Amino acid sequence: GNSVTQMEGPVTLSEEAFLTINCTYTATGYPSLFWYVQYPGEGLQLLLKATKADDKGSNKGFEATYRKETTSFHLEKGSVQVSDSAVYFCALRSPNAGKSTFGDGTTLTVKP
Amino acid sequence: GAVVSQHPSRVICKSGTSVKIECRSLDFQATTMFWYRQFPKQSLMLMATSNEGSKATYEQGVEKDKFLINHASLTLSTLTVTSAHPEDSSFYICSARGGMGGNTSTDTQYFGPGTRLTVL
Repeated sequence: GNSVTQMEGPVTLSEEAFLTINCTYTATGYPSLFWYVQYPGEGLQLLLKATKADDKGSNKGFEATYRKETTSFHLEKGSVQVSDSAVYFCALRSPNAGKSTFGDGTTLTVKP
Repeated sequence: GAVVSQHPSRVICKSGTSVKIECRSLDFQATTMFWYRQFPKQSLMLMATSNEGSKATYEQGVEKDKFLINHASLTLSTLTVTSAHPEDSSFYICSARGGMGGNTSTDTQYFGPGTRLTVL
C-alpha cells in the first residue's frame, strides 16, 4: 500500500536559516504529491503540490521537487521566518485512490 | 476559492450528550469529504470517508454507531459524536476533495479549520 515517511522532528532553526524537511514515499503508479502546513490551533492548508515527475511546486518561498528516481518530495526554503513555525505534512494521492496518505508531520520552530 | 468551513470551531459539552459538527464546502461541490481526528502533537487519524448520497466508509477501529456521518448534499457533511465521553475530546478536522467550482483540483484535499471538542 501507499506510505509517506517524513523526517522526524521537531526541527528548530534560527531566523533566516535554510530549511529542508525530507519526505519519501511508496506508492503504486504515479501519485500526486503535496505539502500541507498546520499553524497552531488551525486546520491544514495546502502549501504546494506537484503532479508528475520533475515538477516543482512552490509557494511562499517554499519549494519541493517531485523526484521519481528517489521517490522523494523534500520541502525546502532558503530563509525561514518566525512566522513559518508550524507543523508540515507531506502527503500523496494515487490516481483513482479514494483518500490521501499523510506523513506523521514535522514540527518546525523558528527562533528570532 | 477552495474554502471549507467547520462549525462550531469549539464546543464544550457534558458527558453523555451528543454533538454535531458541520463541514461545508463554500465555493465548490465536493462529492467526497473526509473526517479526521487529531490528538495533541500527533498526526491526522482518518476516521471515515463520506460520499454524497451514500453511506460513509469507516476506517478500522472507528465505531460507526459512535461517530455518525451524513453527507446529504454536495456541500455539506456532518459528524455527530453520540453519547460523548471525555476520551472523545479531540480536534476534529474535515476535508473535501476538490470538485466542480472554486478553482479546485480533484486530486487535492482542502481542509476545514477544525473543531475543538471538549467533553467534561
